[in-house]
Amino acid sequence: DTGVSQDPRHKITKRGQNVTFRCDPISEHNRLYWYRQTLGQGPEFLTYFQNEAQLEKSRLLSDRFSAERPKGSFSTLEIQRTEQGDSAMYLCASSPLTGGFSYNEQFFGPGTRLTVL
Amino acid sequence: AQKVTQAQTEISVVEKEDVTLDCVYETRDTTYYLFWYKQPPSGELVFLIRRNSFDEQNEISGRYSWNFQKSTSSFNFTITASQVVDSAVYFCALRGGGADGLTFGKGTHLIIQP
Repeated sequence: DTGVSQDPRHKITKRGQNVTFRCDPISEHNRLYWYRQTLGQGPEFLTYFQNEAQLEKSRLLSDRFSAERPKGSFSTLEIQRTEQGDSAMYLCASSPLTGGFSYNEQFFGPGTRLTVL
Repeated sequence: AQKVTQAQTEISVVEKEDVTLDCVYETRDTTYYLFWYKQPPSGELVFLIRRNSFDEQNEISGRYSWNFQKSTSSFNFTITASQVVDSAVYFCALRGGGADGLTFGKGTHLIIQP
């Protein structure tokens, strides 16, 4: 049984560098979500895709952040010109779309921990 | 705007005690969904339960039970006969009828002492 996978699990970068994270959802799941979680807080929604279409973006997603999901399979989240405030755990989740609506039980991956020095 | 409040930052109990985690939510949507997730020390969020706004039935699953009360906008989670393995951070989350992203509370860190 393969769940949601994320790569890398840890990333350390210097301020100003660009970073890219990858998420592979559960294979039959149409919807894919990105969240950010800082220490001591709950996850905060960033964006989501239904197949390859990006349908919702949070105002937390500044113009330095971009997400893609080519061909409706894996997704990438890129952060350009990283800042120390970007240090967080970046979580990916996926959910099935069945019967014309989503149950929205989102299944989460292990996350990518980003540290910006 | 939607909001989820988990007022209990940390709870510590001795094993076998019952413990209730509180969750209060705010939404203007008439249709919405509530969730509980568990985040063990390993870090991966584990889905526990989903409840629809039109279904106020309480639910029991083994030692876990959930009490949903629309009148008080609460969705509380009770663990009966707690075990050390229940130690984790528990998050309550809300999905409004028109949005797909979840709004999470800040979580309650539950510590079960042997």
